[in-house]
Amino acid sequence: ELKVEQNPLFLSMQEGKNYTIYCNYSTTSDRLYWYRQDPGKSLESLFVLLSNGAVKQEGRLMASLDTKARLSTLHITAAVHDLSATYFCAWGNDYKLSFGAGTTVTVRA
Amino acid sequence: DVKVTQSSRYLVKRTGEKVFLECVQDMDHENMFWYRQDPGLGLRLIYFSYDVKMKEKGDIPEGYSVSREKKERFSLILESASTNQTSMYLCASSSQFTGFEAFFGQGTRLTVV
Repeated sequence: ELKVEQNPLFLSMQEGKNYTIYCNYSTTSDRLYWYRQDPGKSLESLFVLLSNGAVKQEGRLMASLDTKARLSTLHITAAVHDLSATYFCAWGNDYKLSFGAGTTVTVRA
Repeated sequence: DVKVTQSSRYLVKRTGEKVFLECVQDMDHENMFWYRQDPGLGLRLIYFSYDVKMKEKGDIPEGYSVSREKKERFSLILESASTNQTSMYLCASSSQFTGFEAFFGQGTRLTVV
């Protein structure tokens, strides 16, 4: 049975500090995706990681993929209030994506 | 920009009604998906389609069916709505030519009373 596990599920961040969200998956894949969801809104694609060792960065967010460890991380640098949202990782299997439960991030002053 | 449009943002239906949720995408994507989202459970795949008239069950297909008569349109049908189908429903599309990255519609919040 495929499992996609994110941790933590809730993350309270202090502005200006760095944090990491972890995504573990149980079955080999070379495709991993990160999405952001704001309250009441749909999902917005952040990163697509298509190979082992892939690293992508956009602003204060950086995502990486280690297929051997079956682990992806989303690193947040110097958190700001605008980053408050729920972040999902998703594992790719043929056509389908399987999602983790999401990490709800709150950034406080 | 990829655009995935769901026909309704909010729906309220009665128990036992037949409910249709419609989704249209404008990027000629071959794959389309229906997910439901519930607090603490993430997104769960109901059905998906990789071609016109083709459909495959996802993780939680019970109580649902789908229709894909045209490439751009994917419909989710609740045969007889029940209160445990109250949820947020998200449609998505993707293509092998863009790494199967899924693009989502705005969601339909369905309440069954």
